[in-house]
Amino acid sequence: AQTVTQSQPEMSVQEAETVTLSCTYDTSESDYYLFWYKQPPSRQMILVIRQEAYKQQNATENRFSVNFQKAAKSFSLKISDSQLGDAAMYFCAYRSDDRGSTLGRLYFGRGTQLTVWP
Amino acid sequence: NAGVTQTPKFQVLKTGQSMTLQCAQDMNHEYMSWYRQDPGMGLRLIHYSVGAGITDQGEVPNGYNVSRSTTEDFPLRLLSAAPSQTSVYFCASSYSWTGGYGYTFGSGTRLTVV
Repeated sequence: AQTVTQSQPEMSVQEAETVTLSCTYDTSESDYYLFWYKQPPSRQMILVIRQEAYKQQNATENRFSVNFQKAAKSFSLKISDSQLGDAAMYFCAYRSDDRGSTLGRLYFGRGTQLTVWP
Repeated sequence: NAGVTQTPKFQVLKTGQSMTLQCAQDMNHEYMSWYRQDPGMGLRLIHYSVGAGITDQGEVPNGYNVSRSTTEDFPLRLLSAAPSQTSVYFCASSYSWTGGYGYTFGSGTRLTVV
């Protein structure tokens, strides 16, 4: 089974600064997708960014960008110009596109709790 | 608004009681799933469905039952509640089980079993 590892249970950043959250994954598949989800105190899971494994170009969504290193199986999230509203639990997730595999299941890491200081 | 609707948002059960968590989506999504979230554990898959009439077990299925009689609805049944089932439960749907579509999540149900 695929595993997703977030090695930083907690991170903190000053408002307006940049922070990077780490994620590594283990898979033998070639076709897959990677996601970062944000869970604020409201408990709602919000999709932040998505990366297709076949694309070399790193995905970007406004202040959020990823550093996708396929050979190293690494998928880090960079948040630029951090805002108080970015404070949340962030989950890295993996989804296979292998039709013989786990039929669309999302594998989640254990999460990184991000604190933003004013 | 289109999305995934979960009810109830909070529930307290006594050990041995049964209940059903409701989940409905109005996006015509093919794929639906139930996850539980426990502190320090991330989200773990309980059951999933790739279409009406088709369900399968996930990582932690024991003590739970599901059915998918329509595309829209995917209820989760707790057969005989145990304190180990105290958790936050999320229903999530996706346009398809393949193609890398992201999930849309419901707002979650916080369940406490005493």
